[in-house]
Amino acid sequence: AQTVTQSQPEMSVQEAETVTLSCTYDTSESDYYLFWYKQPPSRQMILVIRQEAYKQQNATENRFSVNFQKAAKSFSLKISDSQLGDAAMYFCAYGTSYGKLTFGQGTILTVHP
Amino acid sequence: GAVVSQHPSWVICKSGTSVKIECRSLDFQATTMFWYRQFPKQSLMLMATSNEGSKATYEQGVEKDKFLINHASLTLSTLTVTSAHPEDSSFYICSAESSGSGGGPDTQYFGPGTRLTVL
Repeated sequence: AQTVTQSQPEMSVQEAETVTLSCTYDTSESDYYLFWYKQPPSRQMILVIRQEAYKQQNATENRFSVNFQKAAKSFSLKISDSQLGDAAMYFCAYGTSYGKLTFGQGTILTVHP
Repeated sequence: GAVVSQHPSWVICKSGTSVKIECRSLDFQATTMFWYRQFPKQSLMLMATSNEGSKATYEQGVEKDKFLINHASLTLSTLTVTSAHPEDSSFYICSAESSGSGGGPDTQYFGPGTRLTVL
């Protein structure tokens, strides 16, 4: 079974600074997807960024980028120029080609003005 | 963009009663829907995978007779918590996968969730 581990229960960052959230996973599959989701206080899950395992290039979405290390089974999220609206719970997730998602424990991100 | 709704957004019920939660894909057809449970400040735990026109596939440890799932159409899946008890109180979230997308979890869209409180 696949497992996803987020070792940072809480992180904080100053507005405009950069923060990195860690995620490791375990799988025996070769074809899979990795995601970072944001869950603000409204609890609506919002997709931040996704990465296909077969792609070597790290995904980027504006201020959000990932460091995907397939051999190490590591998938960290970097948020640049942090904004107050980035404050939320962030979940790393592993996905199979048929849609099933396994989520990590989550990291609460606080952004200080 | 694709929108998934859930109804009700919150519900309070007495112990022993049954509660139905609806999950609808508003502007796309969803062959597959997923139901998750989330406790406060915890992760989402997949409860079951719901496929239109067939029986749901439950994750290990989830009581299928307790959590009844019906996916009667390509836009609607329902979760019924039968004989609810206080320990069933939780936040229930559904997601829907767009049909014909070729599969892949990048096409999952999440509903806003339903908070269930059982007294």
